Amino acid sequence: AQSVSQHNHHVILSEAASLELGCNYSYGGTVNLFWYVQYPGQHLQLLLKYFSGDPLVKGIKGFEAEFIKSKFSFNLRKPSVQWSDTAEYFCAVNPPSNTGKLIFGQGTTLQVKP
Amino acid sequence: DGGITQSPKYLFRKEGQNVTLSCEQNLNHDAMYWYRQDPGQGLRLIYYSQIVNDFQKGDIAEGYSVSREKKESFPLTVTSAQKNPTAFYLCASSIVRTAHAVEQYFGPGTRLTVT
Repeated sequence: AQSVSQHNHHVILSEAASLELGCNYSYGGTVNLFWYVQYPGQHLQLLLKYFSGDPLVKGIKGFEAEFIKSKFSFNLRKPSVQWSDTAEYFCAVNPPSNTGKLIFGQGTTLQVKP
Repeated sequence: DGGITQSPKYLFRKEGQNVTLSCEQNLNHDAMYWYRQDPGQGLRLIYYSQIVNDFQKGDIAEGYSVSREKKESFPLTVTSAQKNPTAFYLCASSIVRTAHAVEQYFGPGTRLTVT
């Protein structure tokens, strides 16, 4: 079945460590890609998105993601995490030819130790 | 303030009862969505609507029903036929653009517990 996979379910890092969260999808064709974040007690909000163009996308709060078409991946990165980055992170894909739907990965819980 | 409101934040029901979750948006968005969030499973799409008086089933529509009588409102009814209704329910909205997807904006969610 076509899907979106996030490899890490729970990640624990110390402050200032670098972060990379994996996201792979199995849809062929043109896709649109998103990373959302859910901070404790807050709404799910958009971190960044890729529609076309430069495959390296920069988002809010120092996050970036790289779209690698040949690997069907859209990994999220941050060079130096902060305690305030503790949250749940979701990768989402808009499948080809469907402008409405988003298919979400399972989510990754990031815990940053001060 | 523009945004999406969901009420109530917590909802408790007895098994066998239908329950309706409210979702209202004042963003003037045409499209609205309902997701269910369970630990370790991410968000799964229940129903979505891209225009008033029209809606489509998502991936897990069984045991749920919706209506879209007004642009601003997209209530979700969890029926007694839903076998595992206890979950966190998220409503979202977006504009509709035919060329490619746009981001969805999410409400604060309703945590439903059925015992």
